[in-house]
Amino acid sequence: GQNIDQPTEMTATEGAIVQINCTYQTSGFNGLFWYQQHAGEAPTFLSYNVLDGLEEKGRFSSFLSRSKGYSYLLLKELQMKDSASYLCAVKDSNYQLIWGAGTKLIIKP
Amino acid sequence: IAGITQAPTSQILAAGRRMTLRCTQDMRHNAMYWYRQDLGLGLRLIHYSNTAGTTGKGEVPDGYSVSRANTDDFPLTLASAVPSQTSVYFCASSERMTTPNEQFFGPGTRLTVL
Repeated sequence: GQNIDQPTEMTATEGAIVQINCTYQTSGFNGLFWYQQHAGEAPTFLSYNVLDGLEEKGRFSSFLSRSKGYSYLLLKELQMKDSASYLCAVKDSNYQLIWGAGTKLIIKP
Repeated sequence: IAGITQAPTSQILAAGRRMTLRCTQDMRHNAMYWYRQDLGLGLRLIHYSNTAGTTGKGEVPDGYSVSRANTDDFPLTLASAVPSQTSVYFCASSERMTTPNEQFFGPGTRLTVL
């Protein structure tokens, strides 16, 4: 079966750095996506990785290791507005997105 | 404003009733998707459409049907609703299914089946 694993919940302090991990086992791989979802809202796109390495976009960075089936999302200089769920998703051999259950990130002042 | 709209925002439905959730996008995207999101589970794909006139089954298609008569609209129909279909339903679209383009999501429909 296909599986995406990420921690259920994490807590971090405003101004700090947090790393959210994602491991995956899928039938085929056509890229990995990270989305942000605030409570009661729709998911919004954050980043995309298809090659190994780090992709940086402002305060957010995403890393991929295809050989290890592993990715992480790194959030720097945390702000209260970063309190949200972060969803990891992998596009499989059928080009369908397989989603993790999401990591709820709680930011404390 | 470009994007995806969904209707209704929320609905309470008696079991056994028929219900159609509406989804419209104005980005001229070829691919459209319907997901359901349940607490503790990831988004699960119900049905998708690669392009107008074609549809396909996702991970959890049973009890749902879709049509794609044109590029903009992708309605989802529950023929005879059951309580297990209580969920938040998201419609999404992307330029194409096979390219790395991100999916854009509508605001969602919260459906309760009693």
